[in-house]
This record gives sequence, C-alpha cells and structure tokens, in this order.
Amino acid sequence: EVQLAESGGGLVQPGGSLRLTCAASGFSFSSYEMNWVRQAPGKGLEWVSYISSSGSATYYADSVKGRFTISRDNAKNSLYLQMNSLRAEDTAVYYCTRRAHYVGTDYWGQGTLVTVSS
Amino acid sequence: AIQMTQSPSSLSASVGDRVTITCRASQGIRNDLGWYQQKPGKAPKLLIYAASSLQSGVPSRFSGSGSGTDFTLTISSLQPEDFATYYCLQDNNYPRTFGQGTKVEIK
Repeated sequence: EVQLAESGGGLVQPGGSLRLTCAASGFSFSSYEMNWVRQAPGKGLEWVSYISSSGSATYYADSVKGRFTISRDNAKNSLYLQMNSLRAEDTAVYYCTRRAHYVGTDYWGQGTLVTVSS
Repeated sequence: AIQMTQSPSSLSASVGDRVTITCRASQGIRNDLGWYQQKPGKAPKLLIYAASSLQSGVPSRFSGSGSGTDFTLTISSLQPEDFATYYCLQDNNYPRTFGQGTKVEIK
C-alpha cells in the first residue's frame, strides 16, 4: 500500500524557517517524481514545488522561489521541503504528492499544517 | 503559466441528479488533466486522469471528457458521499495549476 506521511509542520514566526519531511513507503520511491502542494485555510490548492526521480531537476512556484528548497534522499525514501524566510501567506496545509507517468498526481499524504504568525 | 478556469464555483444538487463541472485551460494541454475530490479535513483523491480515464476503485458514475482547452467532469447520479469539493489540475507543464474548485452541496 502506497503511503506518504508528512511531518515537521508547526508554528513559526515570520522570517523563520521550517523543514518538512515526507516519508514514503509501499512503492519504489526512487522511480517516482514528487511534488509539494499546499492549501491555505479555507482556500484552494496551490502547487509549490517539483523534483525529478533522481533529484537532478527541480521547479518552484514563483511565490516560493528563492525561499523554499525541495530535495530527496532515495536511500531513505524521503522527500523534503526546506522553507526559509517564511511569511504569513505561507500558512497552509502542505501535502506531499506522488506523480506517476501518464496518470499524474495519484497519491497524497495526509498533510502537515504550517502556521506563520507572531 | 497556464490558467485553469473552473466553473461553477459552487452548486446545489439533490441525490440522483446529474452534475457537470467544467475546466477551461488558457492554452492547449492535450489531455493532460486530472480531476480530484476533496472532503473537509482530508487530502484530495484522484478520480480521473488523462482527462477521461477512471482511476482504479473510483465508481463508474464519475466520468471525464475533453481535450485541448475544454474539459468536463460528470457525475451521472449524485450520491450522498459525493458532496465535496472538486478540483481540476493541469499536468501538462510547470508550474502546475489547479482550478479554483467547485463545492457540491446538498439542495
């Protein structure tokens, strides 16, 4: 069974940093592209970042470019999102998602809440 | 970035009704589109991929159609468990973009 489990969310002050982790299991993690998607309270879904299966290619939404860094450790079946210079508008539930070839984004984790507030 | 315009933003329907939700892309995306269902407090769930392919385990009352710029999600006979918010997602290029969402409520 495919499982994606995010952790690392919490309350952080504006300008602070946080590192999210997504632990993957039930599939060959190193064979899949991965993404982070977020959802602000009461709002819609927003794509945040992408990483290729090897980690050699990454993309970011303009809203986080230069502040967030996506990475992965295939040996540990883990995906990461390093978030720096956090702003109030970064407050959201952050989801780790798997992308399968042809199918697209097929599995989502349960999400981890990040709250940026003083 | 490709813009996805989803409509309506909300609708009220009764059990047994046929429901249609549309997404329009600002440029052609072939059939690179998925539809997702989200219930309160839960992660989204994939219903339809490649515009018209039913994800495994999803009831056959859900169907998708379209190609290029115009796409449709249809629920043929609305069931109580289908009251939720639905999103489209273009999978053609980055940045990925979602529709604004359609909240399906009970009439």
